[in-house]
Amino acid sequence: DAKTTQPTSMDCAEGRAANLPCNHSTISGNEYVYWYRQIHSQGPQYIIHGLKNNETNEMASLIITEDRKSSTLILPHATLRDTAVYYCIVRVAGMVTGGGNKLTFGTGTQLKVEL
Amino acid sequence: GAGVSQSPRYKVAKRGQDVALRCDPISGHVSLFWYQQALGQGPEFLTYFQNEAQLDKSGLPSDRFFAERPEGSVSTLKIQRTQQEDSAVYLCASSLETFSAKGETQYFGPGTRLLVL
Repeated sequence: DAKTTQPTSMDCAEGRAANLPCNHSTISGNEYVYWYRQIHSQGPQYIIHGLKNNETNEMASLIITEDRKSSTLILPHATLRDTAVYYCIVRVAGMVTGGGNKLTFGTGTQLKVEL
Repeated sequence: GAGVSQSPRYKVAKRGQDVALRCDPISGHVSLFWYQQALGQGPEFLTYFQNEAQLDKSGLPSDRFFAERPEGSVSTLKIQRTQQEDSAVYLCASSLETFSAKGETQYFGPGTRLLVL
């Protein structure tokens, strides 16, 4: 699976949009971009994923560049409860055997939302 | 509905002691994963089950680590002769499908925090 690069930490004011970048310059054509987050003392939580089109759900939006070498997770109106470590992961989807289904986490971005 | 549950939530073991960590996945989920998370690091893959079959155990750090899922639902991660370096949070995750054109979403439990003294 392709490696990702994320900033170590970011701050955001409550109510403002949080834009979390991720570089994945070696991504392959069949690899998806996934975002998970981990609130302190909890297990990771799925946020969103995409292949090449921008995606939006009730939690966030995912913007993937046309060359697919980078992406941005957008939390439109960050709240204090969004303070967490955010992980950007790229992996092949739909593999049945072997380790293709596993998630390879990096160290993520620590997002701190402040008043 | 019920999510993934893990027990115990906290475990303190003396070095050399055997421990068993339990994971109850979401009902009907085919895939089950174990991850290990050291302090300040992201989770690292340990092993993967599709129903009762252990298809990938490449992440298990030593032969002291053993996982099973005999009936394709509940899973147990066992660590024999625990060492201080085994201290970590052990996370379990499950997903519904083994194959999907859009990939599978993994749902994580709260983890078991293991401290080996």
